[in-house]
Amino acid sequence: DVKVTQSSRYLVKRTGEKVFLECVQDMDHENMFWYRQDPGLGLRLIYFSYDVKMKEKGDIPEGYSVSREKKERFSLILESASTNQTSMYLCASSAASNQPQHFGDGTRLSIL
Amino acid sequence: AQSVTQLDSQVPVFEEAPVELRCNYSSSVSVYLFWYVQYPNQGLQLLLKYLSGSTLVKGINGFEAEFNKSQTSFHLRKPSVHISDTAEYFCAVSPLGGSYIPTFGRGTSLIVHP
Repeated sequence: DVKVTQSSRYLVKRTGEKVFLECVQDMDHENMFWYRQDPGLGLRLIYFSYDVKMKEKGDIPEGYSVSREKKERFSLILESASTNQTSMYLCASSAASNQPQHFGDGTRLSIL
Repeated sequence: AQSVTQLDSQVPVFEEAPVELRCNYSSSVSVYLFWYVQYPNQGLQLLLKYLSGSTLVKGINGFEAEFNKSQTSFHLRKPSVHISDTAEYFCAVSPLGGSYIPTFGRGTSLIVHP
């Protein structure tokens, strides 16, 4: 069965810290995505990647960066965490636009 | 560019009653359509998808959806819901060709009461 694995289910960090969220997929998918999910706002795209070392900004990239050194791994980096980045973060992958996305279980991040 | 509107943020319903969750979209190009479900503290999982062909699509857990091109809608239905269907439901569209980026609606919370 296909699998997208996010390294942490729950994470608590302090303001100003550099935070790494890791995502690994085992489906050899070209496309990978990072979203944040907040009540009433649905899913908002932070960054996506359509190939190794390629990345594109989504709707809300400010305060975030990403890294994709290997096809299966897509990392989200909070350069200097702030309290307004407290949220649920979801990673997803897909083979193509006519194929559904596969999601990880999410990381609930709290910035104190 | 695409946009997706889920007309109801919350839908309460009694167990064994039918339910319809509404989704309308706008797009300048043809799109693929998806419904996802999110159970508490989990990621999203695919319920069903429409790519082409028959406009009535059947998915998992007894759900189905009908694509209506003239009304640009893709409403999700189930004839008889269970308590276990309580979850958040998301409609999404993805453009044919080109960008790989889907657009999601804001979600509808289905609450099934005993």
